[in-house]
Amino acid sequence: DTAVSQTPKYLVTQMGNDKSIKCEQNLGHDTMYWYKQDSKKFLKIMFSYNNKELIINETVPNRFSPKSPDKAHLNLHINSLELGDSAVYFCASSYDRALDSPLHFGNGTRLTVT
Amino acid sequence: GNSVTQMEGPVTLSEEAFLTINCTYTATGYPSLFWYVQYPGEGLQLLLKATKADDKGSNKGFEATYRKETTSFHLEKGSVQVSDSAVYFCALSAKETSGSRLTFGEGTQLTVNP
Repeated sequence: DTAVSQTPKYLVTQMGNDKSIKCEQNLGHDTMYWYKQDSKKFLKIMFSYNNKELIINETVPNRFSPKSPDKAHLNLHINSLELGDSAVYFCASSYDRALDSPLHFGNGTRLTVT
Repeated sequence: GNSVTQMEGPVTLSEEAFLTINCTYTATGYPSLFWYVQYPGEGLQLLLKATKADDKGSNKGFEATYRKETTSFHLEKGSVQVSDSAVYFCALSAKETSGSRLTFGEGTQLTVNP
């Protein structure tokens, strides 16, 4: 059984379009995240939700809007896509917000904006 | 702010060679430290962790010791295998006003040749 699943795995779209990435976890975790991994493999946190409440909102363009309908789902909607948005986006979850609570990652969504 | 610095890659070794990937950190308070591994086309997986000074995390033959005096958490393995080829990320989790947050190093690409 997949613990953290993201869809789609690949997303190719044109500049200016709006797209969404979905994420679901079946681990019963309270906290979920979105990370962006650039072409050099550098990982940067974008958002974090705890029990559907936004707790981390990094300096991300407001074209990116996360939505958490329940604590098992955290979706990412991106408006007016730009070339620089091309990256791999990872969803993750953790049991709680404790310092030693490890993250469980999905397999990523590779977004290519042309 | 909190930060993690890893040795630059890529690292290329022959099978059964000894591996060290250096990691040093800067953090306020008492962070938890982690190593994550990312195999091609997959998300990150927790490899090992340590939550306090002098703790040693170990898994699958990999080890790392939390050294507060040198602010380091170097990853070691005595005899690498081809299947260990992956990108390795050092990370720390430290308290911030909004709760804990995981900060990643830049990642080190390891290639093991037969």
